[in-house]
Amino acid sequence: GESVGLHLPTLSVQEGDNSIINCAYSNSASDYFIWYKQESGKGPQFIIDIRSNMDKRQGQRVTVLLNKTVKHLSLQIAATQPGDSAVYFCAESKPDDKIIFGKGTRLHILP
Amino acid sequence: GAGVSQSPRYKVAKRGQDVALRCDPISGHVSLFWYQQALGQGPEFLTYFQNEAQLDKSGLPSDRFFAERPEGSVSTLKIQRTQQEDSAVYLCASSDRGRYQETQYFGPGTRLLVL
Repeated sequence: GESVGLHLPTLSVQEGDNSIINCAYSNSASDYFIWYKQESGKGPQFIIDIRSNMDKRQGQRVTVLLNKTVKHLSLQIAATQPGDSAVYFCAESKPDDKIIFGKGTRLHILP
Repeated sequence: GAGVSQSPRYKVAKRGQDVALRCDPISGHVSLFWYQQALGQGPEFLTYFQNEAQLDKSGLPSDRFFAERPEGSVSTLKIQRTQQEDSAVYLCASSDRGRYQETQYFGPGTRLLVL
């Protein structure tokens, strides 16, 4: 896979604002997409998923948007809170195949 | 209920040593996955078990890596003759049915440092 190195892209957002984290996925055959949140020293935590027959799915304070035409996935977090600080990973999977994680984005909440 | 647990949480090994990393999945979960996460990167798939059967080991980087799940519950990832490039966090995840495409629950990981 691609090497990201130690420098993750960082998104800084004011507390209370909405956050939008973007992801470009690689394989047009992928039909299942997931967003994970990873806090320091912990394993990834499932946030929300979406299948390719949908273009939007909402959860509690989160919305995932899928644009298959341009192979783009986004995660929107409403009213960002300090507890949302973490690294966020998008992931994709082809039918009956393993999950491939993308590059992470560090979300930093400004007070 | 209890989540996925892993032990040890930290392991320091001298180059050339063998290590064994343990994963206790959520009770009753059919699927178990191992991932390797290098610093600053996303987890990379290593191997997948459905019950005791290792159905996919395509991500194991070399024949020094070996995983087992003999009774379909606890799993062990063994790394023989460790090298410095093996330094990473090793994550275990489980899911309740035998499919790739369902929610995976991750453990906290084992951080391996090879000196």
